[in-house]
Amino acid sequence: GQQVMQIPQYQHVQEGEDFTTYCNSSTTLSNIQWYKQRPGGHPVFLIQLVKSGEVKKQKRLTFQFGEAKKNSSLHITATQTTDVGTYFCAGPKYNFNKFYFGSGTKLNVKP
Amino acid sequence: NAGVMQNPRHLVRRRGQEARLRCSPMKGHSHVYWYRQLPEEGLKFMVYLQKENIIDESGMPKERFSAEFPKEGPSILRIQQVVRGDSAAYFCASSLSYEQYFGPGTRLTVT
Repeated sequence: GQQVMQIPQYQHVQEGEDFTTYCNSSTTLSNIQWYKQRPGGHPVFLIQLVKSGEVKKQKRLTFQFGEAKKNSSLHITATQTTDVGTYFCAGPKYNFNKFYFGSGTKLNVKP
Repeated sequence: NAGVMQNPRHLVRRRGQEARLRCSPMKGHSHVYWYRQLPEEGLKFMVYLQKENIIDESGMPKERFSAEFPKEGPSILRIQQVVRGDSAAYFCASSLSYEQYFGPGTRLTVT
């Protein structure tokens, strides 16, 4: 069955350093979504990527969708303590009946 | 515009009891997803419903678990004869198109 894997599982950075999390799917995705979950909170939608090779930016966050639409990455430039949380990618089944979430990357930022 | 609401936020049940988790989607949203999350893990899809219909329940155990989304009222996730392994956070999400809006979750503890 379809699987979505994320690496790394954990990342500890000093404030101001960059951070990247990678998402890989065993099958081609129609699109990919990214969510952030703060400690003790619930997932919050960040963005959706649809096109092959697509790159989108949100302030310090850069999202990429691979050419083959099987992988994606989220890069944060100059991390801040407010970036702390777990970042999940999610790939839908073709008809959006089901979403496969990656295991998440937990980011800790030391001030 | 109220967000997705879930209640109760915390639920304690003894082994063998029933747990009922409620989810009120955002106004106008007719799609509801239920997910389960264990500590330090990702979100596991359980079931996808539209009003009065279960569309995909492939992630939900066949025994003891059921879900509904009636024409009127909230979506209900029901777990009968709970066991310790059911202890987890259960999140519901609603959507209108592709973006999922998550509720605050119900933390179920089985003693």
